Amino acid sequence: NAGVTQTPKFQVLKTGQSMTLQCAQDMNHEYMSWYRQDPGMGLRLIHYSVGAGITDQGEVPNGYNVSRSTTEDFPLRLLSAAPSQTSVYFCASSQGKTNEKLFFGSGTQLSVL
Amino acid sequence: LAKTTQPISMDSYEGQEVNITCSHNNIATNDYITWYQQFPSQGPRFIIQGYKTKVTNEVASLFIPADRKSSTLSLPRVSLSDTAVYYCNRSPNTGRRALTFGSGTRLQVQP
Repeated sequence: NAGVTQTPKFQVLKTGQSMTLQCAQDMNHEYMSWYRQDPGMGLRLIHYSVGAGITDQGEVPNGYNVSRSTTEDFPLRLLSAAPSQTSVYFCASSQGKTNEKLFFGSGTQLSVL
Repeated sequence: LAKTTQPISMDSYEGQEVNITCSHNNIATNDYITWYQQFPSQGPRFIIQGYKTKVTNEVASLFIPADRKSSTLSLPRVSLSDTAVYYCNRSPNTGRRALTFGSGTRLQVQP
């Protein structure tokens, strides 16, 4: 049972480059979300989705795009990477029903030089 | 976006009981309280969830008073392996759900 799978695990980018962080879940969860976690800090919500075709902004959406064309996948796109986007990124999903619990992926460590 | 407030850090010794309190003054009627544990270099994982009074599982207990403006995670007889960051989270039940986290409580267990 794979759960929430994130790829890649590590990535180094140069300033201005673009890339997509992949997130897939095999639990048929409606709700998916992306968080970033800076060193020694808590989780900050970037974007989230309550179902296929529906996305919404979280606390820190600037510089990131998302789409949700299928229930399983929720990719996060960095349009033009900046050093301030150096962080660990976590994808999470839940059933989307009431009082659900989040299942997290193992994270992607991104460095922007 | 709903936020919770927790102490930044706590220290304890092996074998002691640890209580971590979370404040959620503006909790909505249908919100549940969920606690997560995060080890270094890993994503958070679910520990326990509750709505009111007391919930207990094999890992922890959760106490939520009648006014539901706070909750307390209780870890009985902690060990070194309980050293982690603990997050309190509201699980909203209405509208589009933005599940946000506070900064968490960093628990350090000493031998």
